[in-house]
This record gives sequence, C-alpha cells and structure tokens, in this order.
Amino acid sequence: NAGVTQTPKFRILKIGQSMTLQCTQDMNHNYMYWYRQDPGMGLKLIYYSVGAGITDKGEVPNGYNVSRSTTEDFPLRLELAAPSQTSVYFCASSYSAPRSGNTIYFGEGSWLTVV
Amino acid sequence: DQQVKQNSPSLSVQEGRISILNCDYTNSMFDYFLWYKKYPAEGPTFLISISSIKDKNEDGRFTVFLNKSAKHLSLHIVPSQPGDSAVYFCAASSGGSQGNLIFGKGTKLSVKP
Repeated sequence: NAGVTQTPKFRILKIGQSMTLQCTQDMNHNYMYWYRQDPGMGLKLIYYSVGAGITDKGEVPNGYNVSRSTTEDFPLRLELAAPSQTSVYFCASSYSAPRSGNTIYFGEGSWLTVV
Repeated sequence: DQQVKQNSPSLSVQEGRISILNCDYTNSMFDYFLWYKKYPAEGPTFLISISSIKDKNEDGRFTVFLNKSAKHLSLHIVPSQPGDSAVYFCAASSGGSQGNLIFGKGTKLSVKP
C-alpha cells in the first residue's frame, strides 16, 4: 500500500549544488505534482504533469526542472541550489484534475536545507 | 495576493466540544473545495471536500459548510478528539485541466483532554 513515495526524506545541500528529488506513485494516476511548503505558509505548486511526456509550470517554478518519462515517476531537479530553496517538498498525484471524486494524494515530504 | 485565506493560525478546543475552522476565498471561479489534515513530519491527508453545487457535506464527525455568496467555508468537527490535533489546510480548485489546488496557510488545531 505504498501510494506516493518520495526520496530522500532529508537532505542538506551547499549553495550551488544540484540534486534530484525522486517521486514515484503506484496508483496509476495520470496527474502528478510537486509542491513546496515554507514555514507558516500554505503549499505552493512548483510543477505539475497531466501525463507522461507532459509537464507545465506552477506558481513557483524558478530554479527547478521536472521530467515525466513514465506514468509512475516524476523527479524534481534543483539546479544551483540557493538558500531560498530551503523548504519542505511534497510530491502528489491524482487520477485526474481535482474534481468531485478525484482527490490529490500526497507523499510524506522531503526536508531540504541549503547552506 | 492570497486567494485562499485561513485567518486563524491556531485554535484550541476542549475534547468533546465542537471545533470550527474557517476559510475565506476571493476567486469566484473556485468551484471545488477540500480540507486536508497534516500531522508533523507527514504529508497532508485528504479529509473532506465539497463541490460548489452543494452547501453542506458530511462525513462522520466532519462537516464542511459552503457559503458561496460570502465566499466562505467552514469545517466542523464534532465531537473533537485529541487525535484531531493537527494542522488543517483549506484548498480550492477552479477546475479545468490544470488540476492545481490553491492552499491556505493552515490552522493548527489543538484538542485538549
């Protein structure tokens, strides 16, 4: 009963380093998302995908890249890490757009600190 | 410009009493609303939702009320239990193919035994 799995759980990066947050889902969902949550704030959408091979920017895409080569996987790439990217990152998925009966399911989060 | 506002950062309630969490929105295109519950060090989990064609949806101890004219929704938890202590996020969607949810900042609920 895995659902949405994201790795790593915790990571410390130095300024300028790059890394990839991995996300996989086993629910055969078409839609996948990456959100970030800063302290005391709500979740903000970074990128989303409505299917394999299709990605689009969300509200806060700068400094990030994504790819969606398979239905299951949706990695988030941080290039040239900056302190402003210190945050908690959540991967999520849903069968289709969030409408009645279609809910977004979240992973457990990845805590990233850039120093 | 916050489109979804949860103006109370925290709420403390006695066990067995009612908890009422409030949420206001500004975008009249929102037509689907959800509440998520989040424990520390975990991802948000879906709690309950409501479509704009309804004004009330109930699921066990949880009821969500929607007042479209006031652009306001509320989550009622009756009776409140200590295990309900968590951060509650209100989220809204305007449909379309994008599927984006706009989240409020959350309200931390503490239910005291």
